[in-house]
This record gives sequence, structure tokens and C-alpha cells, in this order.
Amino acid sequence: DGGITQSPKYLFRKEGQNVTLSCEQNLNHDAMYWYRQDPGQGLRLIYYSQIVNDFQKGDIAEGYSVSREKKESFPLTVTSAQKNPTAFYLCASRDRGVNTGELFFGEGSRLTVL
Amino acid sequence: AQSVTQPDIHITVSEGASLELRCNYSYGATPYLFWYVQSPGQGLQLLLKYFSGDTLVQGIKGFEAEFKRSQSSFNLRKPSVHWSDAAEYFCAVGGNAGKSTFGDGTTLTVKP
Repeated sequence: DGGITQSPKYLFRKEGQNVTLSCEQNLNHDAMYWYRQDPGQGLRLIYYSQIVNDFQKGDIAEGYSVSREKKESFPLTVTSAQKNPTAFYLCASRDRGVNTGELFFGEGSRLTVL
Repeated sequence: AQSVTQPDIHITVSEGASLELRCNYSYGATPYLFWYVQSPGQGLQLLLKYFSGDTLVQGIKGFEAEFKRSQSSFNLRKPSVHWSDAAEYFCAVGGNAGKSTFGDGTTLTVKP
């Protein structure tokens, strides 16, 4: 079945450490997105990519980095510069060929900083 | 800038009762509007979407939503709620490059 796979589902990190969250999709979508979700808040856009080897900052990119070397993969690195990294992270993709295309989401990764 | 407001943080309804979740949006052009549902610890699933045409949109799981341009609203409805509908619901407006803006969500509790 086509979909988006995020790993790991749960991750614990010590302060000062970088951590990378994986996102893989087999939907053949060009566009991919990373959102952050905090309790009682909606989703906030961290980074997005519309095509391989190109990506743009979203609303809360500080302290995060991404790469898009392959169409299927869009990993997110949470760096030690991110002041409050504990959150639920959601990866999504979209078919750019559909103007009204909705987002397809992975199951999420919950990061806890100890 | 586009924005979405979901005025109700938490709603409780009895099983079998009707449901309406409110959503108001701000967007300069004709909006693409979405409702998503999220179970605890899971990703989001699309319930329905509106982009043009009939203002009453049917979705999965018996949900529907009505687009009202004059009120900048896109409220979600269901005639009879089931216990399995308990979840968090997000309204979103689609923008450039597919960057959707989400509301803060409404948590639905279903009483037996």
C-alpha cells in the first residue's frame, strides 16, 4: 500500500544533541512537508520541498534543517539550536499535479528532550 | 495572510446526537478548504475538501461540510455521531505551494 512512513515513532534526546527524523513516501508525490504539533495548537509548518534538491523555510524553521536528495525521502534534523524541541512531528506529502490536492500524513514522530 | 479559526476547543455530544464543528477562515481568493481528523498519537486523515462548485461537500464516515462565502465559514456536520468519531478535528485552508494553514483543532468527546 502507498503511504508515508515516519521513524522512529518515539525518540528521546538529551539537551545539546542533534536528532534526525526520517520520512519516506511511496506515493510518487513531488511535494513534501514537515509540521510541528504542540498540545492545544494546530500544525505549524517547519520546512517544505516541492522538488528534489530544493526546499524552503516555513513559519518556524529556526533550529531545524532538512535535505531532499531523493524524491521519496525528506529527513528533518532537529538541532541543538532549537530551544523547545519536545513536540509531535508530522511529515506530509502532496501531489503537485492536483491543484486542490490534500496533504497525506505519516503517523508522526514524538520527540522528547530530557 | 491566511488564517483559520476553530472557536470550539472541546465539544461533547451524546452518541446518536448530531454534530456541528465550526470553522472560520481568512483568505484573499477563493479558498481550498479541508477538514482532517486525528486520532490520539496518529497522523491526520482527510475527511473532505472544498475547492469549487456545490457548497455542500460530502466526505467519508458520513461527514459533510458547507462552504458559506458570505460568512467565511466551512462548518463540519454529522447527523448521528458514533463513539468511534471521538478524535481531534482540524480545519485547514490551502495556500501557495500547497502550504496549508491549520486551525488549533476541536477535540470531540462522545458520551455513551
